[in-house]
Amino acid sequence: QSALTQPASVSGSPGQSITISCTGTSSDVGGYNYVSWYQQHPGKAPKLMIYDVSNRPSGVSNRFSGSKSGNTASLTISGLQTEDEADYYCSSYTSSSTLYVFGTGTKVTVL
Amino acid sequence: EVQLLESGGGLVQPGGSLRLSCAASGFTFSSYAMSWVRQAPGKGLEWVSDISNSGGSTKYADSVKGRFTISRDNSKNTLYLQMNSLRAEDTAIYYCAKDRIRPRGYGSFDYWGQGTLVTVSS
Repeated sequence: QSALTQPASVSGSPGQSITISCTGTSSDVGGYNYVSWYQQHPGKAPKLMIYDVSNRPSGVSNRFSGSKSGNTASLTISGLQTEDEADYYCSSYTSSSTLYVFGTGTKVTVL
Repeated sequence: EVQLLESGGGLVQPGGSLRLSCAASGFTFSSYAMSWVRQAPGKGLEWVSDISNSGGSTKYADSVKGRFTISRDNSKNTLYLQMNSLRAEDTAIYYCAKDRIRPRGYGSFDYWGQGTLVTVSS
């Protein structure tokens, strides 16, 4: 099971919107509405930001939103803030012999 | 307050074994599936293993299948990962993670431990 494909880096200025893509296959992203997104600051554990493609856990800012089209899921951060600078990972349930697969990760830089 | 506290990491020689533990509190441990996720130094997240809430079902990443065994003791609110035949590429921070909903959250982990570092080196 190969990792889901994410861009290595995405950047934006404060207040702007950015979108991170997460591309898989019909066996994972495209086949199920079980895509999650995690934020990870350096030296910290990951934090759940989006689950089941587009749902936000309680306490997560509504500046974060998720969507999916075909085999590609997306995370959009609107009104970019300095504290959004972190690594972001997507994950998906997969019908392969394993159970879950993570994306390659995207470093978000706030210019 | 939900807390997950990993322990058992350390330095081990290639081919050696190690058992990680994850002590859970603040929620009904026996109601939730749990996973281990690892992160090699400077690298991305890799899902390692999952166990159902009862312990009756387990799944593994291909990279650890046949070498690692996940288990849980619901009476002790503790998750385990027995790692055998360790390789240099198993060097990573190992996190335990709780499924968001019971009995299974399908890859959405709402609480993570702080991680425990496993270093495989001679």
